[in-house]
Amino acid sequence: DQQVKQNSPSLSVQEGRISILNCDYTNSMFDYFLWYKKYPAEGPTFLISISSIKDKNEDGRFTVFLNKSAKHLSLHIVPSQPGDSAVYFCAATSSGNTGKLIFGQGTTLQVKP
Amino acid sequence: EAQVTQNPRYLITVTGKKLTVTCSQNMNHEYMSWYRQDPGLGLRQIYYSMNVEVTDKGDVPEGYKVSRKEKRNFPLILESPSPNQTSLYFCASRLAGGRETQYFGPGTRLLVL
Repeated sequence: DQQVKQNSPSLSVQEGRISILNCDYTNSMFDYFLWYKKYPAEGPTFLISISSIKDKNEDGRFTVFLNKSAKHLSLHIVPSQPGDSAVYFCAATSSGNTGKLIFGQGTTLQVKP
Repeated sequence: EAQVTQNPRYLITVTGKKLTVTCSQNMNHEYMSWYRQDPGLGLRQIYYSMNVEVTDKGDVPEGYKVSRKEKRNFPLILESPSPNQTSLYFCASRLAGGRETQYFGPGTRLLVL
């Protein structure tokens, strides 16, 4: 049972445009969500997070939106740059579960120059 | 430099030959974890450790063992590897709080023939 789903395996956008990566979850107990970025031959690195008490969190070119009623979150990258080309993982956790992260399948983003 | 290191980075072995993948962190983190990444499945937790001598199963523990004798080290042991354990493995660590950022090692790519 995949509790965190990223239904788009890949996404291709032009440099300078907006990239939107989507993530859906099924467990209503999740109250903290994260995005990790992974380059080839490297481990995932933390990108941005959002608590369930918020519906938006922004960090430079990266913004995460959370829609709790739809159990959906999205990562917006504006403007997209070729260096953003990577695999993006959505993850979720809930208070009191030892902080265990449940990851989605990942979305490969390609930003074309 | 604060980091999580894993060794080896690449390993080819044969069915049944015991192997150990080492993981070490220099950030004095209490929590350490092992994940495997497989196509279409994202990252799945194998085992985790809340502190020295405290370990517990994750979502896919079958065929794996771990130990946490020292705070900095968390080796992953495959007593009798099988082809279905061919995967990309990541070690991660963080401070004790459930919402602390998790830092990942560079990964170990394992092929079991």
